[in-house]
Amino acid sequence: DVKVTQSSRYLVKRTGEKVFLECVQDMDHENMFWYRQDPGLGLRLIYFSYDVKMKEKGDIPEGYSVSREKKERFSLILESASTNQTSMYLCASSSGQDNEKLFFGSGTQLSVL
Amino acid sequence: GDSVTQMEGPVTLSEEACLTINCTYTATGYPSLFWYVQYPGEGLQLLLKATKADDKGSNKGFEATYRKETTSFHLEKGSVQVSDSAVYFCAGNQFYFGTGTSLTVIP
Repeated sequence: DVKVTQSSRYLVKRTGEKVFLECVQDMDHENMFWYRQDPGLGLRLIYFSYDVKMKEKGDIPEGYSVSREKKERFSLILESASTNQTSMYLCASSSGQDNEKLFFGSGTQLSVL
Repeated sequence: GDSVTQMEGPVTLSEEACLTINCTYTATGYPSLFWYVQYPGEGLQLLLKATKADDKGSNKGFEATYRKETTSFHLEKGSVQVSDSAVYFCAGNQFYFGTGTSLTVIP
């Protein structure tokens, strides 16, 4: 069964901490994505990657960075966590083109106190 | 920029009622359009998709037709079940999502 695995289901961090959210896919997909999901706002794209060591900004990249050193792993980094980054973070992957479906992980609920 | 606008929720229906969730898109080109569903406590999963004008996507009794003239991709089901209770998201390509519509079906 194909899988996108996010390392933590729930995470609680302090303001100013550096936070790493990890995502691994086992489908050999080229494309990987990070979104945040907020009530009333839906999903918003933070960053995406079409290949190893490549990254592209989404709609809301401020305060975030990403790393893709291996094809199967895509990490989201909050350099200095702030309370407005409290959210559900969703990782997804897909193969090939824009018309390919996304496979989502279960999400990480991050609370920044 | 490109975007989708989705019908506001929440929606509550009785079992066997008809469902329509509206979705319209704004795009410079012709995006592939998707409906994703998020069941309680689960991750998002693809419900159906359409990649070009006049295509109809269908799955689990749900349908949506890609209409270029009205820039719409409305989700429809003729008879909903309790198990259809979930949040539904319209999406364009892999980049932009609607705000989600929560559906509750009561017996």
